[in-house]
Amino acid sequence: SQQGEEDPQALSIQEGENATMNCSYKTSINNLQWYRQNSGRGLVHLILIRSNEREKHSGRLRVTLDTSKKSSSLLITASRAADTASYFCATEGTSGTYKYIFGTGTRLKVLA
Amino acid sequence: GAGVSQSPSNKVTEKGKDVELRCDPISGHTALYWYRQRLGQGLEFLIYFQGNSAPDKSGLPSDRFSAERTGESVSTLTIQRTQQEDSAVYLCASRPDSSEKLFFGSGTQLSVL
Repeated sequence: SQQGEEDPQALSIQEGENATMNCSYKTSINNLQWYRQNSGRGLVHLILIRSNEREKHSGRLRVTLDTSKKSSSLLITASRAADTASYFCATEGTSGTYKYIFGTGTRLKVLA
Repeated sequence: GAGVSQSPSNKVTEKGKDVELRCDPISGHTALYWYRQRLGQGLEFLIYFQGNSAPDKSGLPSDRFSAERTGESVSTLTIQRTQQEDSAVYLCASRPDSSEKLFFGSGTQLSVL
């Protein structure tokens, strides 16, 4: 079963705009990661946020985590056409098993 | 190699045949994961190997699915008596002990006709 649900399922924006996508999960977590997938094949790790962190930045990416609401958001600022991809959140539960469950993904399209 | 390698990249098979999918993880990565991704969907967890521990097989959808891993190297995912609903991209990922980050291969696109 899938842990994460992401919304929106699809997002279309103009180049230069910001893109925000959200991830909700069901059980307590140790950490949450965001991954990017181009063309339906391999995923690439973007950023990790731990359960005791509220916000993290990496370049044009900003991730927030609200453990009370069991949700996270990924913000991509000043988007580029090259950011067009699917974005997934992945959670690791608190059992310490390093088993990662992925969300349903958000398909982002950035129009030039 | 530098990254996770999966083979074949594409596999077309007939319903009822068995298939084997291979994953070569990054050298030194003790953990290895298999996921399934149906068209336009998220990733479904299938199985997870960690070193010499018993694998977590909780995501395997039926007894037609099995996987093996030799030590901390190659893994093979086997699907017996394939069905059309098995058509998907099968993704493999590995992870070193020192990190929570997963490194993915490019996947095997399986098409069952």
